[in-house]
This record gives sequence, C-alpha cells and structure tokens, in this order.
Amino acid sequence: NAGVTQTPKFQVLKTGQSMTLQCAQDMNHEYMSWYRQDPGMGLRLIHYSVGAGITDQGEVPNGYNVSRSTTEDFPLRLLSAAPSQTSVYFCASSLTDSSSGANVLTFGAGSRLTVL
Amino acid sequence: GQNIDQPTEMTATEGAIVQINCTYQTSGFNGLFWYQQHAGEAPTFLSYNVLDGLEEKGRFSSFLSRSKGYSYLLLKELQMKDSASYLCAVMDSNYQLIWGAGTKLIIKP
Repeated sequence: NAGVTQTPKFQVLKTGQSMTLQCAQDMNHEYMSWYRQDPGMGLRLIHYSVGAGITDQGEVPNGYNVSRSTTEDFPLRLLSAAPSQTSVYFCASSLTDSSSGANVLTFGAGSRLTVL
Repeated sequence: GQNIDQPTEMTATEGAIVQINCTYQTSGFNGLFWYQQHAGEAPTFLSYNVLDGLEEKGRFSSFLSRSKGYSYLLLKELQMKDSASYLCAVMDSNYQLIWGAGTKLIIKP
C-alpha cells in the first residue's frame, strides 16, 4: 500500500515550457486534489476531483489543467510555465465521510518546481 | 473574505507544554483540522474538531469554540521530534478547506 505517489520530486523548467506532475493513489479514494504551498501562505487549492470523470476548479486554477480518467490517477498539467508557478505542489486524496463530514487528506511527498 | 490566523513561529523547551492558537473567519463551518508538517515533508493529519470542546489524542489535544471562531492545539511533554509546522484548516460551507499559513514550532533542549 503505497498511499499517494507523486512524481517528479524536483523539476526545473524554463518560462513557457509545459510539463505534467503525476499523482497516483492506491487507496480507492474518491476525492483527489492538487495544492500549491508558498512561503508565508496557507495551502491553496488548484483543482480537485470527486470521482473519475469529474474535475473542478479550486482557488488558483489559472495556468493549470487536470483530468481524472481513472480513480487512481490525477495528473496536473502546467500549460506554459511562468516564474509565478515556482512552488511546492502537493497531491492529496481522501475518503469523504458523509456522516461526520470529515475529509481527512492523505498527501503525497510533494513536487518542488522551479520556473526560470 | 475567509481568513485563518495562526502565529508564525513559536519556541518551546523539550519536556514542556505549548499551546498553538488558531482563529478563523469563514463562510460557514464544517469542521476544523490540525495537520503537522516536518520541514521538506508532506502534511500529516493530527486532529479534527466539529463540536465545541476538547479532543485528546495522547500527548496532543485540540480544542474548539465555534462561537468564538477559535481553536488551539496543545502539545504536552514536548519532544525534539515535535519540531515542525502546525497547520490549522477550516472546512467551509462548501466543504472546501481554508488553510492557515502554519505555525513553525521550534523545540529547544
């Protein structure tokens, strides 16, 4: 049981390049999400998905695309990288507990992206 | 707007007790979470409060007052491994998490 697996751990891009951050979970979680974490700020939600075939925008979706073709995988695509996208990115998944409302997230190890 | 406030940094001594406060103003409330994040690692879940009162889990306890928009995380018998950032997050009326910037806790011997 690997939990949430993110790749790559580190990436350096030039402005304008595109890339995909991979995220996979083996816990059969319905909910998956992508966050970015910047110094002095709280985690900010980029995109999320409540199940295969369903995605929605979070707080900071511009410049990013996602898809959810399977329950396991939730890749994040940077379309044309900008220095403002330099950040640490976390993928997270959870089971939605309808009785308690608790949505406990399990995070991947993170991907540190630098855009020059 | 929605806002979560936590102290940026706190220092405490090994073996002592520390209380990390979190105040929030959000559109609705569906629970408050505390996560621990060691430097360079992913956040990990510590506690969840949805009703007023104290939840105890070993050396860690979390308190919630919904009327005051206030929570605290209490860490007892501090160990060096407790040096980490502690993130407060509130689930709003749309079941989205609003995150504080985190409190960096430094433990000194």
